[in-house]
Amino acid sequence: QQQVKQSPQSLIVQKGGISIINCAYENTAFDYFPWYQQFPGKGPALLIAIRPDVSEKKEGRFTISFNKSAKQFSLHIMDSQPGDSATYFCAASRETSYDKVIFGPGTSLSVIP
Amino acid sequence: ETGVTQSPTHLIKTRGQQVTLRCSSQSGHNTVSWYQQALGQGPQFIFQYYREEENGRGNFPPRFSGLQFPNYSSELNVNALELDDSALYLCASSLRTHNEQFFGPGTRLTVL
Repeated sequence: QQQVKQSPQSLIVQKGGISIINCAYENTAFDYFPWYQQFPGKGPALLIAIRPDVSEKKEGRFTISFNKSAKQFSLHIMDSQPGDSATYFCAASRETSYDKVIFGPGTSLSVIP
Repeated sequence: ETGVTQSPTHLIKTRGQQVTLRCSSQSGHNTVSWYQQALGQGPQFIFQYYREEENGRGNFPPRFSGLQFPNYSSELNVNALELDDSALYLCASSLRTHNEQFFGPGTRLTVL
């Protein structure tokens, strides 16, 4: 019940295209859903996060869509750029209990020119 | 504002040895969490420290232990190293009142 599932495992997108990564969770107590971006040799960096009281959050080219009833959320990267090539992790936690963050297995994104 | 720093960057140990990894939290952050990231996988929560006490633990054996100091820096200790302990160890700091965690660059541990 603590698991966060993520797909696809890897993704290749052409420059200017839309990258879409999907995640699903089981624990309905989760109330904070961040996305992290990780470059090789670096620690994960927070990209964008959403709470279940909204269905969508947009920051620049990055948008999270959240479907509470389906227990699914997704990251859309618009106008994908080669610099976006990295591994992306969705995650979930119970914010009110300052609990641990549960990460998905990650998606390796390659944006080709 | 200083970000999260970790030392050492890389470490090679042999099976059965003990290792200590160090983390300095971001300025003003009072909570430190440690994660293990195996190659090609997402980070797995080890434990969290707040006010120098362990505050939550993942599915890791007791040979994984930690400390938090009054300046909020932290150590991760692993005894009786096993080959499967080879991984990137990540430290993340945060404010107690916020779930937003800031990660350090990690320590790459190789156990031979």
